[in-house]
Amino acid sequence: DAGVIQSPRHEVTEMGQEVTLRCKPISGHNSLFWYRQTMMRGLELLIYFNNNVPIDDSGMPEDRFSAKMPNASFSTLKIQPSEPRDSAVYFCASSSGKGEKLFFGSGTQLSVL
Amino acid sequence: AQSVTQLDSQVPVFEEAPVELRCNYSSSVSVYLFWYVQYPNQGLQLLLKYLSGSTLVKGINGFEAEFNKSQTSFHLRKPSVHISDTAEYFCAVNDVGQGNLIFGKGTKLSVKP
Repeated sequence: DAGVIQSPRHEVTEMGQEVTLRCKPISGHNSLFWYRQTMMRGLELLIYFNNNVPIDDSGMPEDRFSAKMPNASFSTLKIQPSEPRDSAVYFCASSSGKGEKLFFGSGTQLSVL
Repeated sequence: AQSVTQLDSQVPVFEEAPVELRCNYSSSVSVYLFWYVQYPNQGLQLLLKYLSGSTLVKGINGFEAEFNKSQTSFHLRKPSVHISDTAEYFCAVNDVGQGNLIFGKGTKLSVKP
């Protein structure tokens, strides 16, 4: 298996632009997580899905952030409009169930200028 | 609500010395506990996990951790570290029955020759 695939690997954009991050989980995994990592706040859970349904989005910073999982093999995290404080590494991870280990993608390094 | 505290943000040690990375959690229910490692410019990888049973858990690369329910701790140990163990280590918790996984802020282990 290719593992969790995230794209793009790096994204540089200007403040106010829309940003879309993409994730393909491991086939057969029914849980998908979006995390944001910064020096100041560490690794924060933004949202997680179970069987394509959002279960907990309490970590989503504000209305500018939205996440979708239209099917079991694809998820997006969108920021609109983006701001410099959104600059971070965004990780997608998937797992096969509760208590099972998370498999992480390589992350998307987002820089908002 | 769950939370994880990693008391040390940085731990410098010399090669072949023992190391302990501390982790305390708070939760009102039974938990699953995990340690993940992150090498530079990579996603996180699972080192070990505690679900139930023996409180001493052995993981990859010679690491082990002990679950102490009374002290709500899950400290990570290795009797003799190598240069290659230099990385950031994250403790994580999720309530049994919940799908989300909450991470601590991480401890950067720096192994010096």
